[in-house]
Amino acid sequence: SQQGEEDPQALSIQEGENATMNCSYKTSINNLQWYRQNSGRGLVHLILIRSNEREKHSGRLRVTLDTSKKSSSLLITASRAADTASYFCGGRLGGFKTIFGAGTRLFVKA
Amino acid sequence: EAQVTQNPRYLITVTGKKLTVTCSQNMNHEYMSWYRQDPGLGLRQIYYSMNVEVTDKGDVPEGYKVSRKEKRNFPLILESPSPNQTSLYFCASSFEGSPGNTIYFGEGSWLTVV
Repeated sequence: SQQGEEDPQALSIQEGENATMNCSYKTSINNLQWYRQNSGRGLVHLILIRSNEREKHSGRLRVTLDTSKKSSSLLITASRAADTASYFCGGRLGGFKTIFGAGTRLFVKA
Repeated sequence: EAQVTQNPRYLITVTGKKLTVTCSQNMNHEYMSWYRQDPGLGLRQIYYSMNVEVTDKGDVPEGYKVSRKEKRNFPLILESPSPNQTSLYFCASSFEGSPGNTIYFGEGSWLTVV
């Protein structure tokens, strides 16, 4: 399968803690992106990290990319109950297909 | 407001009854695609289109058809739906002009085939 894989599949933390999600993929992806999905809704873009970048920050989000290991991580710092959602990594393959991982379900307890 | 609009949002249909899920975007995006989302499997790409009259298969195209006669519209057609096509479907679009283009998603269409 060319799909990405997120790890863990589910994560439950207390409000204020940090949440780390990992993503690995089997084929080379151009410019990996992270998305958030509230239950049953469409995905919303969070952050893009380009193939030549190693780390990127946006507010409470920190994304890293290791192209040699074909992996990325998303860190959400000081989590809030409103961060409860599913998080997906995804990107375009060398051609035109787009792939996404199965997602990590994050539950932040107030 | 930038939008990807898909209809219907909810549909229950019977096996074999042809149906079309419409998708329209107002951002003049070249790239459009359809995904299905199933528990534990994430999003899987069904078909994508690079521009008008240019479409290609994604990872799970069997049982689906698409067309791209206008830039803004990309309908998904199920000629003879079967219960294994019960799923949550998303239409999405993005620009092609630069790498790492943000993908904009519709709100999803819940389809049940009985």
